[in-house]
Amino acid sequence: AQTVTQSQPEMSVQEAETVTLSCTYDTSESDYYLFWYKQPPSRQMILVIRQEAYKQQNATENRFSVNFQKAAKSFSLKISDSQLGDAAMYFCAYRSALNTGTASKLTFGTGTRLQVTL
Amino acid sequence: DSGVTQTPKHLITATGQRVTLRCSPRSGDLSVYWYQQSLDQGLQFLIQYYNGEERAKGNILERFSAQQFPDLHSELNLSSLELGDSALYFCASSVMKGNGYTFGSGTRLTVV
Repeated sequence: AQTVTQSQPEMSVQEAETVTLSCTYDTSESDYYLFWYKQPPSRQMILVIRQEAYKQQNATENRFSVNFQKAAKSFSLKISDSQLGDAAMYFCAYRSALNTGTASKLTFGTGTRLQVTL
Repeated sequence: DSGVTQTPKHLITATGQRVTLRCSPRSGDLSVYWYQQSLDQGLQFLIQYYNGEERAKGNILERFSAQQFPDLHSELNLSSLELGDSALYFCASSVMKGNGYTFGSGTRLTVV
C-alpha cells in the first residue's frame, strides 16, 4: 500500500518570503499522480497543484511550484512571495494511475500547518 | 463554489442515532468518494462509487453505508453513532479516468 509522509507538522514564513513544504511517499508503482491540497480555516479542500509522475518537468501554478524527485520519492511544495491568505493546512496526496479497486483513491499525508506572519 | 454540493453543512446528534449525509457531484463526474477527517487529522478514505456501483472500500465501519443514485448523487448513512464518529465528512467527485478531485465543503458531524 502507498504511504505519504509529511514530516513537518508546522511551518512559519514571513509575508513575501519563500517557504518549502516537504513530502515523501512510498510506492512500487511507476505511474501515478501527486497533489498538494490547501485547507484554510474554512475547512474547504482546495487543489493547489498536481504532478504527473511520467512528466519530468516540475509543475508550477503562479506562486506555487513543486520539486518532484521521482527516484527519491520526494514531492515538495514551494510557495513564493507568501501572502497572509496562504496560511492554511497543506496536504500532500498520492493517486495511482490505475483505476481498479481502491487504486483511484487519494492517499493523504497528515498535513503541514503553515503560518504566515507580518 | 467547487461544484460539489454537500448537505447539511453541520449536524449535531446524540449517540446511538442515525444520520444521512448527502452529496451531489460536479456535473459530468461519475465517481464519488467519501472521506472522513477527524480533528486535526488527515483524510481517511471511506468508500467510492462509480456510476451507481460501489467501486472500492477503505476504512469504513460496518455501521456506515453508502449508495449512489441514478442521478449520481450519493448518500452516506451513519448509524449507531458514537462520540468517536464526530468528524468532518467530505465528498469528492472526479471523472473516472481523470486525475483531478473536486471536494465539497464537507459536513461537520458532532455526536453528543
